[in-house]
Amino acid sequence: EAGVTQFPSHSVIEKGQTVTLRCDPISGHDNLYWYRRVMGKEIKFLLHFVKESKQDESGMPNNRFLAERTGGTYSTLKVQPAELEDSGVYFCASSQGVTGELFFGEGSRLTVL
Amino acid sequence: QKEVEQNSGPLSVPEGAIASLNCTYSDRGSQSFFWYRQYSGKSPELIMFIYSNGDKEDGRFTAQLNKASQYVSLLIRDSQPSDSATYLCAVNPHYKLSFGAGTTVTVRA
Repeated sequence: EAGVTQFPSHSVIEKGQTVTLRCDPISGHDNLYWYRRVMGKEIKFLLHFVKESKQDESGMPNNRFLAERTGGTYSTLKVQPAELEDSGVYFCASSQGVTGELFFGEGSRLTVL
Repeated sequence: QKEVEQNSGPLSVPEGAIASLNCTYSDRGSQSFFWYRQYSGKSPELIMFIYSNGDKEDGRFTAQLNKASQYVSLLIRDSQPSDSATYLCAVNPHYKLSFGAGTTVTVRA
């Protein structure tokens, strides 16, 4: 069974540019989460989808971040325009139920110059 | 006050010894507690979860929970070099995980 896959693994962009991160959850997992780890800090919750609906987006930093989950399958996280403080590793995770038993992807490392 | 705090480490133990990892949390309403292991550059991987006070054992791993003290720990017995990783404590107070900063463990052969 394929795990959670994320693309790209690493992205380097200039401040003000746009980046879109993609996550493919484990097949059949209705719950999809985005988390972020900035340098030296804890992994922080960004948002939670159940199928195609946003259940909780309380962790999204500001309106420069837009997450979508079309058809309840893969998800994208767009940062537009990117700022220096957006640099970090963005993790996607999925689960069958709403528990803390999550399956994580290997993350997308974003570097904003 | 941070939601989840872990002993800062790094923690170095000899092969075969017990590694002891500690974690405290601030939200008394928390009901579920998790330990994730993360190898460098890899995804966090769930290794233990515990919901009730007391001990829970799984192979060489034992999780301990004390809700009154708001404390959760992880013991790794007979530590192996393959246990060298960062261990993340996570708490699930409102159906979304709050993570500690992690404790890096190195097992010396």
